[in-house]
Amino acid sequence: GAVVSQHPSRVICKSGTSVKIECRSLDFQATTMFWYRQFPKQSLMLMATSNEGSKATYEQGVEKDKFLINHASLTLSTLTVTSAHPEDSSFYICSARDPGGAGDEQFFGPGTRLTVL
Amino acid sequence: AQTVTQSQPEMSVQEAETVTLSCTYDTSESDYYLFWYKQPPSRQMILVIRQEAYKQQNATENRFSVNFQKAAKSFSLKISDSQLGDAAMYFCAYKLNSGGGADGLTFGKGTHLIIQP
Repeated sequence: GAVVSQHPSRVICKSGTSVKIECRSLDFQATTMFWYRQFPKQSLMLMATSNEGSKATYEQGVEKDKFLINHASLTLSTLTVTSAHPEDSSFYICSARDPGGAGDEQFFGPGTRLTVL
Repeated sequence: AQTVTQSQPEMSVQEAETVTLSCTYDTSESDYYLFWYKQPPSRQMILVIRQEAYKQQNATENRFSVNFQKAAKSFSLKISDSQLGDAAMYFCAYKLNSGGGADGLTFGKGTHLIIQP
């Protein structure tokens, strides 16, 4: 199946700093990628849809100025958490849609654990 | 807006037995996909099975099968011959099929499946 990678796998930062998370589709081109957030022992919540070459679409309640998304190429989307605070600590997961795949499946990255001190 | 409900926070089953995980959803749309994902302790999301709403036949993948009741908006997962490796969080998910593929997933809260040896 298609492979999606994320980097870094975990990051610890100080409050007020910015953190960038990369999501890459390794063996297919993804015109659309998705960013989810998962708090401990909770479900995944869709944050935004990242479209190659255009602005991201954010879900209601997600601050677009805080969570900057850039989808500059068909294999890379980045999520930057700006001025991070402890409440931003979470598990961030990206997924990518393979247009050539069956059943509209989304392939998930392994996730990034963000801890803000 | 669509919602996905998993009413069983935790289920336990003896190894080699059969277990059914429940999922209901609410949508006003007629064309959509339903998925079951498995999330082991590694947090990597793994697709277990998918169902296209316009297909009446229930999907099956080896030991995994679903009971899709479109009118009742029910989508349960049956795991036969449970194995220790099946222990994980299981998430039911909904995705609208708008044709462009740029639709994210809506997840239920998950069911923690425990396999008793």
